[in-house]
Amino acid sequence: ETGVTQSPTHLIKTRGQQVTLRCSSQSGHNTVSWYQQALGQGPQFIFQYYREEENGRGNFPPRFSGLQFPNYSSELNVNALELDDSALYLCASSLRLAGTDTQYFGPGTRLTVL
Amino acid sequence: AQSVTQLDSHVSVSEGTPVLLRCNYSSSYSPSLFWYVQHPNKGLQLLLKYTSAATLVKGINGFEAEFKKSETSFHLTKPSAHMSDAAEYFCVVSVKNDYKLSFGAGTTVTVRA
Repeated sequence: ETGVTQSPTHLIKTRGQQVTLRCSSQSGHNTVSWYQQALGQGPQFIFQYYREEENGRGNFPPRFSGLQFPNYSSELNVNALELDDSALYLCASSLRLAGTDTQYFGPGTRLTVL
Repeated sequence: AQSVTQLDSHVSVSEGTPVLLRCNYSSSYSPSLFWYVQHPNKGLQLLLKYTSAATLVKGINGFEAEFKKSETSFHLTKPSAHMSDAAEYFCVVSVKNDYKLSFGAGTTVTVRA
């Protein structure tokens, strides 16, 4: 176990709705990254938060947004849900040091959009 | 930009035989390379990482990988497969100061009894 937790485990929404996913980072980590994993594919980088600010973003529209809190936990918000948003959403935490940090993943939230 | 290509979408081995998962990378800068494993309905677990130290990297559960710059490869091996190795394996690349991970498409490993 990595110590990274995510909630909820599963979620079902309908098109047009909004959703908030939550992530608690591993103790001692200061950076949170979010990834989307569609069925049968590798995870795709959504964005990363460091010191409560967005620090890099993948090819996702602005309706995907996030927050990082002072305790380094994080939220991913998705507005105006579309059917293609159905996926496993993974959160990863890491300790930002010089160079590349190693990311440790939570179990994910399975989002189904109907 | 950086990317990885996993050369096999599916690998099937018999229990007790060697496992080889092939990965080629592309990167404009010196890369860091990782292998992650994902068991059904689970999150991603780090198997091993290469970050410009020794080119032969040993990981958990008997896995190891070798970084070959001349071939731009980072293949994952295990001498003897176990039933519990059945899972999805991802080769991943990142570069210094660009902290996102770029994943390959994955290789599904099945282990026959």
